Amino acid sequence: DTAVSQTPKYLVTQMGNDKSIKCEQNLGHDTMYWYKQDSKKFLKIMFSYNNKELIINETVPNRFSPKSPDKAHLNLHINSLELGDSAVYFCASSQDLVTEAFFGQGTRLTVV
Amino acid sequence: TQLLEQSPQFLSIQEGENLTVYCNSSSVFSSLQWYRQEPGEGPVLLVTVVTGGEVKKLKRLTFQFGDARKDSSLHITAAQPGDTGLYLCAGETSGTYKYIFGTGTRLKVLA
Repeated sequence: DTAVSQTPKYLVTQMGNDKSIKCEQNLGHDTMYWYKQDSKKFLKIMFSYNNKELIINETVPNRFSPKSPDKAHLNLHINSLELGDSAVYFCASSQDLVTEAFFGQGTRLTVV
Repeated sequence: TQLLEQSPQFLSIQEGENLTVYCNSSSVFSSLQWYRQEPGEGPVLLVTVVTGGEVKKLKRLTFQFGDARKDSSLHITAAQPGDTGLYLCAGETSGTYKYIFGTGTRLKVLA
């Protein structure tokens, strides 16, 4: 039973397209996150939601729009994809804003 | 911008050797975490330290939080191939509700 699952695992798309990545957690956690890991393995927070409320928006371009329909889901929609968006995107969840984060397996996005 | 520098960036050692990974910042953290990430997977938490000078042990891994809570180290004794992975430290500044991740250390332990 996967704790934090995100789909798809791989996504290859052309520049200019719009795509979504879905994330679900079955841990009963209140907080969910999106992180971006670049080719140098640097992991940077993009967004965090607590009880469906946006807490952190880390100066991410407004082409990226997170949506949390309920506490167990945090989806990431990306408009007008650019080459520089290519990275691995990780969803994570935690009991609250400061406790251990459980990460999904990542979505490798390649923009061509 | 807060920055957590890890050193070394890359480390390749033989099985049975000892090693230390460092995580340094100019910022004071209320807590610091260490994660290990394997290829194709997300990071997995190893430990959280919250008190300056705190030392925690996890089998062959020893974690220390600096007295001033600006730095941390991870020491592995008698490394094994299963320790291979990307080690990430992450620090949280009080009240920010976000963990800033370090630059990472890629460890490879050769059999």
